Amino acid sequence: SQQGEEDPQALSIQEGENATMNCSYKTSINNLQWYRQNSGRGLVHLILIRSNEREKHSGRLRVTLDTSKKSSSLLITASRAADTASYFCATPTTKETSGSRLTFGEGTQLTVNP
Amino acid sequence: DTGVSQDPRHKITKRGQNVTFRCDPISEHNRLYWYRQTLGQGPEFLTYFQNEAQLEKSRLLSDRFSAERPKGSFSTLEIQRTEQGDSAMYLCASSLKGGNNEQFFGPGTRLTVL
Repeated sequence: SQQGEEDPQALSIQEGENATMNCSYKTSINNLQWYRQNSGRGLVHLILIRSNEREKHSGRLRVTLDTSKKSSSLLITASRAADTASYFCATPTTKETSGSRLTFGEGTQLTVNP
Repeated sequence: DTGVSQDPRHKITKRGQNVTFRCDPISEHNRLYWYRQTLGQGPEFLTYFQNEAQLEKSRLLSDRFSAERPKGSFSTLEIQRTEQGDSAMYLCASSLKGGNNEQFFGPGTRLTVL
């Protein structure tokens, strides 16, 4: 079963606008990760935020984490058509027998119109 | 190319046939994961290897599924007596033990069972 839930499920914006995606999770975490997936392709790791961090930046990406609300958001600023993809949040479950298997949300499909 | 590779990229088979997929992880990564992804959903964990040892299998992995990693390098995932419900994208990922849990994904094998 999926731990995370992304909101919205789909988002369509114009190039240059900002895109915000939200993720909620259910259990305690050590970190939360965001991945991007272009249509029909594998996933690409975007950014990781640790449970003791509240905000993190990487280029045009800004991630926030609120552990009290068990939620995270991903902001993409000044979007480009090439940002069109599905975005997933994922939380690792770390134990000896499962390494750090990831539990993914259902994803947000972002479309950036040129 | 030093990323995770998967072969084949696409597989179409008839119901009841057996199929085998291969994953070559990043060479120094000792952890290897298989995930399954259906359309519109996030990836779901199937199984995990640390070196050659298969340490965990998801309940999603029925008796018709078997995975191996004989020398702790490449891995194979076999599905016997395929069913239409097995149609999905099968993703492989690898990571380093003790790292920050970042997983590197291959491009996936898309299976279609007719």
